[in-house]
Amino acid sequence: DAGVTQSPTHLIKTRGQQVTLRCSPKSGHDTVSWYQQALGQGPQFIFQYYEEEERQRGNFPDRFSGHQFPNYSSELNVNALLLGDSALYLCASSLRMRDAFFGQGTRLTVV
Amino acid sequence: ILNVEQSPQSLHVQEGDSTNFTCSFPSSNFYALHWYRWETAKSPEALFVMTLNGDEKKKGRISATLNTKEGYSYLYIKGSQPEDSATYLCAQPSGNTPLVFGKGTRLSVIA
Repeated sequence: DAGVTQSPTHLIKTRGQQVTLRCSPKSGHDTVSWYQQALGQGPQFIFQYYEEEERQRGNFPDRFSGHQFPNYSSELNVNALLLGDSALYLCASSLRMRDAFFGQGTRLTVV
Repeated sequence: ILNVEQSPQSLHVQEGDSTNFTCSFPSSNFYALHWYRWETAKSPEALFVMTLNGDEKKKGRISATLNTKEGYSYLYIKGSQPEDSATYLCAQPSGNTPLVFGKGTRLSVIA
C-alpha cells in the first residue's frame, strides 16, 4: 500500500500564475482533505472532497478550488498566486470523512 | 473556529530524559483529540485518537492523557531517543472543519 501520495514534491511559481497540486489517496479511502501549512503555523484546513463534491470548506478565498475524480484522487488549484500562498500543502485521505492519513506534502514557493 | 494551543513551542532534551508537552483546547462541545508525530521530510503520522475524559493511551515509550473537563491533553515520552525528534501536533474536529491543529511542539533529542 503506497499510502497517500502527492505530486509534485516541490515547485516554484511566479506571482499571478496558477498552480495545480495532485493527491492520490490511500487505497480504500474515499475522502480527501487539503491543508495549508505556512511557516511557524499548524496545518490549516482548506477544503474536503467526498463523492466528487466539496463537502466542507475552511476560511480560504475562492482562488483556492479543487476537484475529486471518480478514482478518489484530487487536485488543488490556486489561481492568481500571491507571495503569501508560499507554504507546504498537505493532502489527507480518510474513509467516509473519518481519521486522516497524510501525504508528505507539496512545498510551493511563490516568487 | 476553536483555538488549539500547544506548549512549549520547542524543547531540547538529552537522550534518556523523559519529557512531556501540553495541548489545550476549549472544553465545550468536545468530540475527539488527535495526536500526530511529524518527522522532517515525512508525512504526519497518527499517534493517538482520544475521545473519553480520563483516557490514557500508550504506544511504546509514548503515552497520552486526556482531560476534557478542563480542556487539556498531555503527551509523555519516556527515555527520549534521537529518533523521537519530530514535531508533535495535536488537533480537534470543530464544526465543519475535520481537524483544527495547534502549531505543534518541536522536540529535539540530543545524543
